Amino acid sequence: AQTVTQSQPEMSVQEAETVTLSCTYDTSENNYYLFWYKQPPSRQMILVIRQEAYKQQNATENRFSVNFQKAAKSFSLKISDSQLGDTAMYFCAFMKHDKTGKYIFGTGTRLKVLA
Amino acid sequence: DTAVSQTPKYLVTQMGNDKSIKCEQNLGHDTMYWYKQDSKKFLKIMFSYNNKELIINETVPNRFSPKSPDKAHLNLHINSLELGDSAVYFCASSQDKLAGYNEQFFGPGTRLTVL
Repeated sequence: AQTVTQSQPEMSVQEAETVTLSCTYDTSENNYYLFWYKQPPSRQMILVIRQEAYKQQNATENRFSVNFQKAAKSFSLKISDSQLGDTAMYFCAFMKHDKTGKYIFGTGTRLKVLA
Repeated sequence: DTAVSQTPKYLVTQMGNDKSIKCEQNLGHDTMYWYKQDSKKFLKIMFSYNNKELIINETVPNRFSPKSPDKAHLNLHINSLELGDSAVYFCASSQDKLAGYNEQFFGPGTRLTVL
């Protein structure tokens, strides 16, 4: 069975600085997808970034980028130029490429951006 | 033009009651999901339907029953509510499971409080 681990329950970062959130996962699958979702206090789940396991190139979305290390089963999220609006819970999610499309979520990292 | 909507957003009820949460998506997606987020923010899949067919049924008490009248709707009915059912319930949807990565779009969540 797949598992997803986020080892940092809470983190803080100064506005405009860079922070990295870690995520590791365990799977025997070769074809899968990884996601980072953001959940602000409004509790809406918002997709931040996604990565296909077959792609070696790390995904980037504006200030958000990932460091995907397939062999190490690691999928960290880097937030550059942190903004107050980045304050939220961040969840890493794993989905294997099968008919279910089921997400396995990590336990989340609460990020606080300080002014 | 809400993509995934849930009603109600808040639900407070007594132990032993029966309640329903409704979910609708206007994205034309084929697959819909129910997740439960507990008090520690842990998100776990409960059910998934694809074109009105049940494809995921995790270890969930029989008191929980999903119903999908059409592919745009997935409702969750809960019988004999217990204190431990208090949580936030999220509905989500995604495009066909075989059409590449399966980004899931989430509803705003329903906070259920059982007294």
